[in-house]
Amino acid sequence: DGGITQSPKYLFRKEGQNVTLSCEQNLNHDAMYWYRQDPGQGLRLIYYSQIVNDFQKGDIAEGYSVSREKKESFPLTVTSAQKNPTAFYLCASSIRRLSEKLFFGSGTQLSVL
Amino acid sequence: GENVEQHPSTLSVQEGDSAVIKCTYSDSASNYFPWYKQELGKRPQLIIDIRSNVGEKKDQRIAVTLNKTAKHFSLHITETQPEDSAVYFCAASILGDGGSQGNLIFGKGTKLSVKP
Repeated sequence: DGGITQSPKYLFRKEGQNVTLSCEQNLNHDAMYWYRQDPGQGLRLIYYSQIVNDFQKGDIAEGYSVSREKKESFPLTVTSAQKNPTAFYLCASSIRRLSEKLFFGSGTQLSVL
Repeated sequence: GENVEQHPSTLSVQEGDSAVIKCTYSDSASNYFPWYKQELGKRPQLIIDIRSNVGEKKDQRIAVTLNKTAKHFSLHITETQPEDSAVYFCAASILGDGGSQGNLIFGKGTKLSVKP
């Protein structure tokens, strides 16, 4: 199904390596988000972006970076500074920031080798 | 900031029984309370939401109730079916036009198992 696409589905990171998770949406939504999901921890906000070339830190931004050069794309880089990167990462979008409904991607499972 | 507590963390019911999941929130300014369902291996999807200006909302077998005074809201699923098996997340936020707004804060989730 279309809407919001994340890739890859599985990703492995070596020690000291930066990795980038892709998120693309064709919903013409202004706002995009990255969440981290750990077992039993719910969804925690990493970064969000309301418009192109603007983004804000969420609750757990340390060790992550993002860019928003195009409306459709909001890639997340997990840097070597993130010491516990193993998690399920979900990208989401909404019509505008804090809209009533989030549309989620299918997620990327990141593991450390 | 806002904090959302969700209980129970796991819930097992027999098919046809009702299931209730409860959440409490800390910020009295929160006015929007959605519920998301995440089936195994799939993305979370919004199933129902409620604003603070109403006390209850129903959609077929699903209902959500809100008690602003006590700062808690609940998801009720009646006549449960095996396809209701999933992880359910509650969330809270301040939703408004301009002025004070806040991001969605999620509970930790409830894994519901419906046994045939």
